[in-house]
Amino acid sequence: DARVTQTPRDKVTEMGQEVTMRCQPILGHNTVFWYRQTMKQGLELLAYFRNRAPLDDSGMPKDRFSAEMPDATLATLKIQPSEPRDSAVYFCASGYLSLAGAYNEQFFGPGTRLTVL
Amino acid sequence: AQSVTQLGSHVSVSEGALVLLRCNYSSSVPPYLFWYVQYPNQGLQLLLKYTTGATLVKGINGFEAEFKKSETSFHLTKPSAHMSDAAEYFCAVSASAGNMLTFGGGTRLMVKP
Repeated sequence: DARVTQTPRDKVTEMGQEVTMRCQPILGHNTVFWYRQTMKQGLELLAYFRNRAPLDDSGMPKDRFSAEMPDATLATLKIQPSEPRDSAVYFCASGYLSLAGAYNEQFFGPGTRLTVL
Repeated sequence: AQSVTQLGSHVSVSEGALVLLRCNYSSSVPPYLFWYVQYPNQGLQLLLKYTTGATLVKGINGFEAEFKKSETSFHLTKPSAHMSDAAEYFCAVSASAGNMLTFGGGTRLMVKP
């Protein structure tokens, strides 16, 4: 049963600490998205990658957030330093876009619930 | 740029009643439209999607939605609500295949016995 996995599921940290969230996309998927969900802002895109190259990171605060794909099986989202306003649920999603333009749905992981005290 | 408006952040229906969740979108290009469902403490699961072709789209769990270009709408319906349908529902739009999703604010569906 192929699925997107995210670790950790829950993270509580103190303001100023570094936080790293990891995502394993579904094997063979070439597109990875990071979304953030808060009560105030709802679901918003932070960044996304195709074939490991960043396509759009305009939703991400550049001074403290960074997103990378060290390899095709791992995506990371890092916050340094973390702030209380970063408290949210962070979702990773993956999908496959073929050369012919055929695309399946975005499959979402279970999310990482981040609490910054 | 795309945007999505979901009318009604909370909708309550009785079990067995019609479910209607409203979604209106704005898009500068022909849109790809989606409905996702989120159960508590879980990720989002695709209910159905419209890309091209037939404007009435059937999804999982008995849900369907109709793309109405003239009304820029993509409302979600289900003829008979079940207790297990209680969840949060998100409408989303994308400019093209494989592109980012822009979500509406979500509608929490409550089903009364």
